[in-house]
Amino acid sequence: DAGVTQSPTHLIKTRGQHVTLRCSPISGHKSVSWYQQVLGQGPQFIFQYYEKEERGRGNFPDRFSARQFPNYSSELNVNALLLGDSALYLCASSLRGSKETQYFGPGTRLLVL
Amino acid sequence: KNEVEQSPQNLTAQEGEFITINCSYSVGISALHWLQQHPGGGIVSLFMLSSGKKKHGRLIATINIQEKHSSLHITASHPRDSAVYICAVRRSGGGADGLTFGKGTHLIIQP
Repeated sequence: DAGVTQSPTHLIKTRGQHVTLRCSPISGHKSVSWYQQVLGQGPQFIFQYYEKEERGRGNFPDRFSARQFPNYSSELNVNALLLGDSALYLCASSLRGSKETQYFGPGTRLLVL
Repeated sequence: KNEVEQSPQNLTAQEGEFITINCSYSVGISALHWLQQHPGGGIVSLFMLSSGKKKHGRLIATINIQEKHSSLHITASHPRDSAVYICAVRRSGGGADGLTFGKGTHLIIQP
């Protein structure tokens, strides 16, 4: 079975632009979480979706939004990019949520210039 | 103060040594995860604990809910164990379902 996939793997944007990151969970997994990892730090929780509904949001500005589709894949959108948004964006899937083993994708590395 | 603290931040050891990484947390939790991150970013789940102890191969994870502390042990360490080990918790009591992470412990095992 395929693991969690994310696209693109790398991305370079300039300040003020918009970006869309994509995540496909493991087949059968209905929960997808998004995390931001700045270099040298642990990941920070951004969003969690289960059955297409938002189940949690971390301490991120409204420039960050996400959604989950009927096939349980997910998109993370970031508007008006800032230099500080440069990070590794990780997606994790599980059957129902974070009380279960999390399966992480390889991440999307975003650089904002 | 971070809700999840790990120690040490960095650890260099010789092949074969017994390794202990510690995680302390200051909130009520319903689950604690130990994760391994290799250079390049990929994260692999090692354990998920809510009580007691789990063992998988050379890895052992323990948790003491009363003391709000967990440890990850590696027996007979090997250079391929070199990675960043991250502790993450799921808070209890409802609210957002996401994990809260420690900053990680950077482990280097020298041959």
